[in-house]
Amino acid sequence: EIVLTQSPVTLSLSPGESATLTCRASQSVSSSYLAWYQQRRGQAPRLLIFGTSNRATGIPDRFSGSGSGTDFTLTISRLEPEDSAVFYCQRYVSSPPGYSFGQGTKLEIK
Amino acid sequence: QVQLQESGPGLVKPSGTLSLTCAVSGGSINSDYWWSWVRQPPGKGLEWIGEIYHSGAANYNPSLRSRVIMSVDESRNQFSLKLSYVTAADTAVYYCARHTAYSQEFWGQGTLVTVSS
Repeated sequence: EIVLTQSPVTLSLSPGESATLTCRASQSVSSSYLAWYQQRRGQAPRLLIFGTSNRATGIPDRFSGSGSGTDFTLTISRLEPEDSAVFYCQRYVSSPPGYSFGQGTKLEIK
Repeated sequence: QVQLQESGPGLVKPSGTLSLTCAVSGGSINSDYWWSWVRQPPGKGLEWIGEIYHSGAANYNPSLRSRVIMSVDESRNQFSLKLSYVTAADTAVYYCARHTAYSQEFWGQGTLVTVSS
């Protein structure tokens, strides 16, 4: 089973700064199979990035994804107060088919 | 734009069966997408439960496979989840979602199911 470990667990930054969130997999993950989600308090998750670096519909270009193999990164530039949320990475595995999530990174905007 | 809405009992007794339905609007469940259930215990992270295609083909989380059944009702444009032999550990917000490119793009608002006597 591929385990995803996210770091840091929590992050506190100021508006206008940039955030770098990391997702490390215990085994190599195809770049097509790595996604990122944002979950604001009390809301459903929202897809930000799929296929490592592709922004979902309506996601501003302040959000960007990168990485390969076992190390993936979500970068959020020019932080805004509305970016406060928990961010999850997710991987798909084809055999047997299934998904799993990292434990999440909580981002607080001061 | 596709919209999803979960419905079902908010309270289930221990050892009973949790049954939820996800109604799809703004799109057809017969389209070339997979549909998932994801849950989130209070204050905890996300757990994928399983996915289903309109043909009825399904894949389940190995940790839940023995207790999960998913189904599709094409005539009602909806899909369903049944989780049997529930315990307090199954208390969670349950979300349904539609896939895009190995991810879940559209989500329902979620419904809280509490397992308690």
